[in-house]
Amino acid sequence: DTEVTQTPKHLVMGMTNKKSLKCEQHMGHRAMYWYKQKAKKPPELMFVYSYEKLSINESVPSRFSPECPNSSLLNLHLHALQPEDSALYLCASSLGGGDSDTQYFGPGTRLTVL
Amino acid sequence: AQTVTQSQPEMSVQEAETVTLSCTYDTSESDYYLFWYKQPPSRQMILVIRQEAYKQQNATENRFSVNFQKAAKSFSLKISDSQLGDAAMYFCAYRSYLLRSYNTDKLIFGTGTRLQVFP
Repeated sequence: DTEVTQTPKHLVMGMTNKKSLKCEQHMGHRAMYWYKQKAKKPPELMFVYSYEKLSINESVPSRFSPECPNSSLLNLHLHALQPEDSALYLCASSLGGGDSDTQYFGPGTRLTVL
Repeated sequence: AQTVTQSQPEMSVQEAETVTLSCTYDTSESDYYLFWYKQPPSRQMILVIRQEAYKQQNATENRFSVNFQKAAKSFSLKISDSQLGDAAMYFCAYRSYLLRSYNTDKLIFGTGTRLQVFP
């Protein structure tokens, strides 16, 4: 089973709202990723968690706050977003280390910031 | 720094025919991984095929196969017997073999090729 789930599928929020995106996997993977994807563009890496510790932050603005409560769950907390933050947010996971480390993606959350 | 180039923004193919999507990359590393991901309108990125650079044999997965030319830094995807369900955006991606930090890695994506399949 190579399933990564994401909720919600769609989210509309105002610039003053606080919301969270959720990602879950039960494949025993120890690395989890957040990507941002604008229309007709490839995904851009935002954060990487490895063994529940933040290992890569690609200079993402502080209005995006990741959290990894356990090895199966990854959250992305959103606060005071801008309209240009509207995008598809993809979560991915991988085994974490080793040479057979393929990333598997979730279906994404389509975020619209008004 | 590594780069991945997909020079075909759009391609089209008729059902049951064969189509080849191109991908070139630039790297100074000798060991690495290459991937093709498919993203249909449903948006989910689906792994199509993976190639390890140290393997000379080209990877195949059912109707999907690659032509990996390491010296030329080329990694094309061939789709045989195309089906309507193959219509999607296809991304080529590169990953270093040597991890940049403990147990993590980065995928470097190309800009994508949109494939249309006509009945």
